[in-house]
Amino acid sequence: GAGVSQSPSNKVTEKGKDVELRCDPISGHTALYWYRQRLGQGLEFLIYFQGNSAPDKSGLPSDRFSAERTGESVSTLTIQRTQQEDSAVYLCASSLGTGVAGYTFGSGTRLTVV
Amino acid sequence: AQSVTQPDIHITVSEGASLELRCNYSYGATPYLFWYVQSPGQGLQLLLKYFSGDTLVQGIKGFEAEFKRSQSSFNLRKPSVHWSDAAEYFCALASGSARQLTFGSGTQLTVLP
Repeated sequence: GAGVSQSPSNKVTEKGKDVELRCDPISGHTALYWYRQRLGQGLEFLIYFQGNSAPDKSGLPSDRFSAERTGESVSTLTIQRTQQEDSAVYLCASSLGTGVAGYTFGSGTRLTVV
Repeated sequence: AQSVTQPDIHITVSEGASLELRCNYSYGATPYLFWYVQSPGQGLQLLLKYFSGDTLVQGIKGFEAEFKRSQSSFNLRKPSVHWSDAAEYFCALASGSARQLTFGSGTQLTVLP
């Protein structure tokens, strides 16, 4: 598509429930990134996918967080047994090759855990 | 470890005034540096980037930034601010592998009429 698409744009969930966040990158972009933005803070790196290589999961904060990507298309970020501290905006970005050229970000999913 | 510091949490300027947003970084080599802008409810938009060469880089929307190695800084400037520039601005750094960006905590810009 023309831009990075994320869904849902807003999600309210009860503590302890699982959530799935979706990211549809720009067609042809081989790299895909997930970041978390807590209120009033900068972005924290979560995970990076590059083509068919093994993902860089070094930023995932706990084993409750996981992500998948099928080839060079859609990615899903899953948070299991959500906690209130998971409340944040989750941003997805994609780029051609590595991030040197600069990312294109989606508008994010605002997750609220109540 | 690499880091990015944006010392100013919030800046207020009058429309038409000049603007400078500060960014300092810590990294062992020459980094790749970026400025992004985030409007309410929107994703981040790339304003400009520095990889190498000329230390003064021009970006979109009339913004420019200057890389100063001696000061480990990459400050963003605009000679005359417009009301539509009100947003949050993030400075970011990428290492040589550039597989992830390290972001500063952002500077919120308010523009007074």
